[in-house]
Amino acid sequence: DSGVTQTPKHLITATGQRVTLRCSPRSGDLSVYWYQQSLDQGLQFLIQYYNGEERAKGNILERFSAQQFPDLHSELNLSSLELGDSALYFCATSGGSHTQYFGPGTRLTVL
Amino acid sequence: ILNVEQSPQSLHVQEGDSTNFTCSFPSSNFYALHWYRWETAKSPEALFVMTLNGDEKKKGRISATLNTKEGYSYLYIKGSQPEDSATYLCALLSGAGSYQLTFGKGTKLSVIP
Repeated sequence: DSGVTQTPKHLITATGQRVTLRCSPRSGDLSVYWYQQSLDQGLQFLIQYYNGEERAKGNILERFSAQQFPDLHSELNLSSLELGDSALYFCATSGGSHTQYFGPGTRLTVL
Repeated sequence: ILNVEQSPQSLHVQEGDSTNFTCSFPSSNFYALHWYRWETAKSPEALFVMTLNGDEKKKGRISATLNTKEGYSYLYIKGSQPEDSATYLCALLSGAGSYQLTFGKGTKLSVIP
């Protein structure tokens, strides 16, 4: 158990809908990273927040957005969902070192 | 776009065999290399973070080496056990100001009892 929690575990929704994925970091970790794992793709970095502010942006679509709250938990918002957005979404958190600790992931299925 | 390559894509070995696999990355802008172990239905678990050329890290029967000049890292597993079956991912952290990890697609190891 990494100490990082993600909810929900599974999410099934329809095209065009909007969903929110939630991540709670390990105690003391200020950085949160979001990744997407699609079929046949490696883990793709989406975005990083550090202590409430956006720090780095990867291959994140404009339909997706994220934020980190004062209590350091983070939410990833996915809107106007398409079939191709079906994937496993991980968050990872880190403290002073560069080691990232991954949560259990949210499996999103868009029908 | 950084290209992190891992080979082989998959590997089947007998219990007790030793094995190794490769991670290749562009050596320019290198800052750190991460190795993760990812068991089915679980989340990736950090194995090593390597930063120095010539670095060698060990955790039980698993060890890793790093060559930043030529852009590769090897992961070795000595005396493979069925519980070592997992996908092993490497990820490149490039540039001191960037905390973005670029992952390879992984090497899937199956250890046959």
